Amino acid sequence: LAKTTQPISMDSYEGQEVNITCSHNNIATNDYITWYQQFPSQGPRFIIQGYKTKVTNEVASLFIPADRKSSTLSLPRVSLSDTAVYYCLVGDINPNFNKFYFGSGTKLNVKP
Amino acid sequence: GAVVSQHPSRVICKSGTSVKIECRSLDFQATTMFWYRQFPKQSLMLMATSNEGSKATYEQGVEKDKFLINHASLTLSTLTVTSAHPEDSSFYICSARGQRSWDTEAFFGQGTRLTVV
Repeated sequence: LAKTTQPISMDSYEGQEVNITCSHNNIATNDYITWYQQFPSQGPRFIIQGYKTKVTNEVASLFIPADRKSSTLSLPRVSLSDTAVYYCLVGDINPNFNKFYFGSGTKLNVKP
Repeated sequence: GAVVSQHPSRVICKSGTSVKIECRSLDFQATTMFWYRQFPKQSLMLMATSNEGSKATYEQGVEKDKFLINHASLTLSTLTVTSAHPEDSSFYICSARGQRSWDTEAFFGQGTRLTVV
C-alpha cells in the first residue's frame, strides 16, 4: 500500500501558478496517481490522473518523474475558487484492487 | 464524467435510532463501492469496501455490526448506522469505480452529513 506525503498547507495569490508535490516512495508497478479536490462539505472531485511523464487536461497538469516516486500537480493561474484541499492518491489500476486511502491532503489557500 | 449520488445529503436523528444512507452509481455499474467517514478538518477515512452480492470488507477498527453495508445491485449500496450515538456524527462519503479494466478513476458522492442528537 503506497503511502503518500504532501505539504499540509500552501498559500498562493490569484493568478499565480501553484505546484503541489506529493511523495509516494513505495509506489507499485500497477499503481496510478490520481489527484482530487475537495471543498468543505462536498465529496472529492477528480482533477487528473496519470501513470508516468506528463498529463494535461483543461484544469491542471500532472508531472511524474521517471522513478514515479513523486508527482506534482500544477494549477495554472489559480483563482479564489481554487481554495480547497487537494489529495494525492495512489492506487492499483485493476478495478478489483482499487481501494483508495487518503493521506492528509494539502490545504491550498488562494488570496486576492 | 460518471455520477455517484448519495441520499440524503443531510440527516439529523435521535440517539439510539438507525439511519440509512444510499449510494447510487447513476450511469455505470459498480461491482465495488467504498464508504468513507470524515470528521471536521480531517481527511477521509476508509471504513469499508462494499461488494455486490457478497459481504462487505471492513477496515480495522470499524465495527461491522454498527455500520451495516448492503450492496443490493450493481448500482446501489447502502450504509446503515445502527443505534447511532453523538460520536457517530460525521460526514459520510461513498465512492465507486466502474468494473471495466480502463475504469481507473473513482467517483465520489456528494456526501451525507449525519448529526446525532
